Amino acid sequence: QVQLQESGPGLVKPSETLSLICSVSGASISSYNWNWIRQPAGKGLEWIGRIYNTESTNYNPALKSRVTMSVDTSKNQFSLELTSVTAADTAVYYCAKSGSGSSFYPYWDWGQGTLVTVSS
Amino acid sequence: DIQMTQSPSTLSASVGDRVTITCRASQTISSWLAWYQQKPGKAPKLLIYKASILESGVPSRFSGSGFGTDFTLTINSLQPDDFATYYCQQYDSFVTFGQGTKVEIK
Repeated sequence: QVQLQESGPGLVKPSETLSLICSVSGASISSYNWNWIRQPAGKGLEWIGRIYNTESTNYNPALKSRVTMSVDTSKNQFSLELTSVTAADTAVYYCAKSGSGSSFYPYWDWGQGTLVTVSS
Repeated sequence: DIQMTQSPSTLSASVGDRVTITCRASQTISSWLAWYQQKPGKAPKLLIYKASILESGVPSRFSGSGFGTDFTLTINSLQPDDFATYYCQQYDSFVTFGQGTKVEIK
């Protein structure tokens, strides 16, 4: 059974960098696609990006200039960094697992989500 | 970018009703469409993928159809557990979600 768990600061100051980690159990981080999705309170889902084959990435064009994703195979974790945050980046951030390979896939497994608030 | 437009935004229905939600893509996405159910405070749950394939464990009252740009999610005989928000997702080119449809009690 695959389990994903997001972790990181719940409060980030404007203009600083948001950093989150997703810890994975039950699946190898070296396989599959690993994704980040966010959801502002009361709003819809926004795809942030994915990492696959441990180093290949695709990012939402609207966020691309500020996003970096990476994998730590020794810890079976993947991470998200979002720079120069503003209040508009306040959201619940989810990590999710999808299929393997370069195609895009639906998300069969999700973390529980973590709320990140951007405020001074 | 592929835009996904869901309708309606809100739907009021009663237990036992048949409910239909539509999702339209701004360009053809073949069958690369998924539907999710989300309840307050929870992560989305995959219901259907590749437009019409029911995910394991999902009740058979849920069904999906469509190809190209127009898709539907149908819930036959709505149950109390089905009151939630539903999202479509295209995964043909990158990933985009619809804005969601809230199914509420009439």
